[in-house]
Parts: sequence; structure tokens; C-alpha cells
Amino acid sequence: EPEVTQTPSHQVTQMGQEVILRCVPISNHLYFYWYRQILGQKVEFLVSFYNNEISEKSEIFDDQFSVERPDGSNFTLKIRSTKLEDSAMYFCASSEGWAREGSSYNEQFFGPGTRLTVL
Amino acid sequence: QKEVEQNSGPLSVPEGAIASLNCTYSDRGSQSFFWYRQYSGKSPELIMSIYSNGDKEDGRFTAQLNKASQYVSLLIRDSQPSDSATYLCALQNTGNQFYFGTGTSLTVIP
Repeated sequence: EPEVTQTPSHQVTQMGQEVILRCVPISNHLYFYWYRQILGQKVEFLVSFYNNEISEKSEIFDDQFSVERPDGSNFTLKIRSTKLEDSAMYFCASSEGWAREGSSYNEQFFGPGTRLTVL
Repeated sequence: QKEVEQNSGPLSVPEGAIASLNCTYSDRGSQSFFWYRQYSGKSPELIMSIYSNGDKEDGRFTAQLNKASQYVSLLIRDSQPSDSATYLCALQNTGNQFYFGTGTSLTVIP
């Protein structure tokens, strides 16, 4: 069964450094998403991506963050100048599509996540 | 204002019983609703989606949606110890933003 994959599973970095988190969405999916989950808190939407551009982003997704689809399979999240409070699980998800009125195409499937630890 | 609200629990049910999980939301324009299961330290796993008022059944799971009351629920029949997890209610608004609730912790007691 197709699945979303993410690398690395765990990333440790020093405060102020840049990190790139990688995701391979399900191959026939067109929409890609990044979420974060701080330990003990809820899953928070960061950004959605379609057709090589950002579709929607949350207030969390500021200039510190960027996303890219560098090739036909990978989808990346770059976090610049990491801060202690960026420590969290970061999940990538993908969906076949998106229908405003609601559809099974909207179903999002999550990868296993990358645990980011900022020291 | 919280977009999605869930009772954090914990909810405990005996094995074989029905577990009932509830969720309310604030954005009346939301059209897509989802239930995810999350085991500790793992990623959310999709259980069901629902878009129309009424019930939707899939195996032991039934999702219920009432848009007028802005209410979504999930029933788990014949609960098993392996169902013990945190259940996340999520919605997608008309702007393709996704909001999760804080989750309800369910424990199924053998």
C-alpha cells in the first residue's frame, strides 16, 4: 500500500542552524502538507502546497519557514535559524486532491514524522 | 476561538463496549471532517472522513455529522484493547486549511 515517507526520523540541531526535512508523498497525490506537533500539544497545520506553489499557510508559517518540491518525488520543509521552540514532531501529509465542498480526495495521509530537537 | 473542540478524556470503556467520541467546531462553513487515531509517539492514522449530514459506517466505526449543530462524533463498536489511543477530530475549511482538536484519550480495558 502506498505511503508517505519522511527522512530523517530524528534530527538534532544547534539553535540558529538551518534544517531541511524531507518527505516523499504518495505518488499520485497532488496536494502536500506540513504539520507540526509540539510534545503534548495538538497537531498544527503549517502549509499546503499544490502545483509547485503554496496554497495556504498558517500564522505559524512565517519567513523562517519555506517549502520546495525540488524534483518529481521529494517535498521539503526548510527551517532557518532554528529556535528552541521549534523542537517538535514535523509531519508531512498528502492527498489526491482538494474539493471545497468535501470529497474523499481531501483525505490526507500522514508520514511517520521527523522529530526535531533544537539544542 | 478554538476551531475544533474535543473532550480530552481520558475515556475508559470495557472491552466489547461502544466507545463514543465527540467533537464540536466553530467554522460553520467547514465541509470536510475527519477522524484520526494517534498512538503515542506515532503519526495520525486516518480512520474515517465524512462530508454529509448523517451517519457513515466503516466496519466497527461509525461517524456522525450534524452541520446544523456543528457536531461530529465517532462510535467504535466492540471496542478492543488495540483501540486504546488518542482520537483526533479534524476539519478542513473552504480555504484548504486543516484544524485538529486536542484529541480524546481512549483506554479499552480488557
